[in-house]
Amino acid sequence: DVKVTQSSRYLVKRTGEKVFLECVQDMDHENMFWYRQDPGLGLRLIYFSYDVKMKEKGDIPEGYSVSREKKERFSLILESASTNQTSMYLCASSSPLPRGTAYGYTFGSGTRLTVV
Amino acid sequence: QKEVEQNSGPLSVPEGAIASLNCTYSDRGSQSFFWYRQYSGKSPELIMFIYSNGDKEDGRFTAQLNKASQYVSLLIRDSQPSDSATYLCAVRPVDYKLSFGAGTTVTVRA
Repeated sequence: DVKVTQSSRYLVKRTGEKVFLECVQDMDHENMFWYRQDPGLGLRLIYFSYDVKMKEKGDIPEGYSVSREKKERFSLILESASTNQTSMYLCASSSPLPRGTAYGYTFGSGTRLTVV
Repeated sequence: QKEVEQNSGPLSVPEGAIASLNCTYSDRGSQSFFWYRQYSGKSPELIMFIYSNGDKEDGRFTAQLNKASQYVSLLIRDSQPSDSATYLCAVRPVDYKLSFGAGTTVTVRA
């Protein structure tokens, strides 16, 4: 079964800390994405990657960076966590090939991050 | 104008009724269309996708696409309490990024 695994379900961090959110997929997907989801604001794209060592900014990249050293792993980094980064973070992956889901995403279970 | 707009909820339907969710999109070149279901506190789960005009049925779910009108809908027949969730419409323009609507929350009353 297709899987996207996010390392933590819940995280509590202090303001100013450097935070790493990890995402691993076992589907050999080329495309990986990081979103945050907030009530009333929907899903907002932070960063995405179409290949190893490749990254592109999404709609709200400020305060975040990413790393993709291996095809299966896409990490989101909060350089200096702030309270306005408290949110649900969702990782997703997709394949550029039509493997039955017409390029749809598979989401991880999400990480609920609280910055205090 | 938002890229993907969904009818505002919440939508409350009695058990056994049909729930109808609507979505319009702005990019006429969009190629694939998706419906995700998201239970409270959980991540979105893909339930339907469609890329040709017309209807596509899967169990109690029917997706309808009209590219000329830039409109996609989801019908849930014989609604069950377990269908109570937020439904996200997503559209793939020309690259691999999906654009998501804000979601419509459906409540099925027993």
